[in-house]
Amino acid sequence: SYVLTQPPSVSVAPGKTARITCGGNNIGSKSVHWYQQKPGQAPVLVIYYDSDRPSGIPERFSGSNSGNTATLTISRVEAGDEADYYCQVWDSSSDHPVVFGGGTKLTVL
Amino acid sequence: EVQLVESGGGLVQPGGSLRLSCAASGFTFSSYSMNWVRQAPGKGLEWVSYISSSSSTIYYADSVKGRFTISRDNAKNSLYLQMNSLRAEDTAVYYCARFEVGVGAPLDYWGQGTLVTVSS
Repeated sequence: SYVLTQPPSVSVAPGKTARITCGGNNIGSKSVHWYQQKPGQAPVLVIYYDSDRPSGIPERFSGSNSGNTATLTISRVEAGDEADYYCQVWDSSSDHPVVFGGGTKLTVL
Repeated sequence: EVQLVESGGGLVQPGGSLRLSCAASGFTFSSYSMNWVRQAPGKGLEWVSYISSSSSTIYYADSVKGRFTISRDNAKNSLYLQMNSLRAEDTAVYYCARFEVGVGAPLDYWGQGTLVTVSS
């Protein structure tokens, strides 16, 4: 089955740019979605179809996807962005089609 | 406003059974595929099961196949997860989540989750 690999943790100072990667075999051929989860809360969709933002998500959040790596970029990071972030794809070739990455803990220093 | 409200969680002994429910409102439930996703304490998200809008297509994670059954009642706007032969490793918060319409679509709405604890 398809595997998505994320770094366990990323640290960034306030006001700087955070980049969270999601690796997968030829992931550039798939649509990647990103979720933010804060402690004790349900996940929230922050980027869908690689680079689209749902309404209400700040423009500071952006995404890209090419080759074997998708990237969630958070510009001008704020303390409130500290959370766990998960990438997700649909693997149409599998009977386990919903695949999540292991998650990345973003720490704002 | 789209709402997904899970219920049915609780404490159950190993080998026991539990039925989770997810009540949907604010959208045409019968038009959307649905999922159960779980999260063990301190761990990441784990997809559990998928059901298409008409129940014609169902998938399960290997970890629950043969023990869990997903179903839905479109007339009642409800999603279910029947969990049998529960194990300690099934302890988790269980979320229901809606797939946006379209191939490879995102999970655009999630419930608040219900906690299942499997322990003697």
